[in-house]
Amino acid sequence: DTAVSQTPKYLVTQMGNDKSIKCEQNLGHDTMYWYKQDSKKFLKIMFSYNNKELIINETVPNRFSPKSPDKAHLNLHINSLELGDSAVYFCASSQGTGVWDYTFGSGTRLTVV
Amino acid sequence: AQSVTQLDSHVSVSEGTPVLLRCNYSSSYSPSLFWYVQHPNKGLQLLLKYTSAATLVKGINGFEAEFKKSETSFHLTKPSAHMSDAAEYFCVVSGGNAGNMLTFGGGTRLMVKP
Repeated sequence: DTAVSQTPKYLVTQMGNDKSIKCEQNLGHDTMYWYKQDSKKFLKIMFSYNNKELIINETVPNRFSPKSPDKAHLNLHINSLELGDSAVYFCASSQGTGVWDYTFGSGTRLTVV
Repeated sequence: AQSVTQLDSHVSVSEGTPVLLRCNYSSSYSPSLFWYVQHPNKGLQLLLKYTSAATLVKGINGFEAEFKKSETSFHLTKPSAHMSDAAEYFCVVSGGNAGNMLTFGGGTRLMVKP
């Protein structure tokens, strides 16, 4: 059983399109995150949700909108995709405010052409 | 604010020789520190974590790291490199008012020559 699963694994799309990446965790964690890894491999947090409530929202364009229908799911919707959005997006989860059980998904490689 | 600096963007070693990947951190609080590994086109795997219980932390695959508060360092070592260790390694800090947000270093690419 995959603990944190993301779909799709690869996503190629044209500029201007709207796309979504889904994330689900079966660990019973109450906190979920999205991280972005750019072309230089640099990883940075985008969002954090705790029990469906937005906790962290780093300086991310408004075109990115996370949605958490329940504490096991955190989806990322991106409007009007731009070339610079090309990256690997990682979902993660943990329990409460702790970091000891942080678990990452395998990533979604988004390519905007 | 907290930050992590990985002092080498690339490290190249021969198989069977020791590995040293350097990491310095900055944190206003007692930090939580981690090393993650990312193999090509793969996800992030936790190698080890510092829990403040012991300054020398042992991880998977023979890696270990030593927390040195006086030097604000958390270097990763392995006595003998294996070809399968070739990957990208990330030093990570968390804690204090950053809560459960992980702050990643820029990464070190480890290359292992036969």
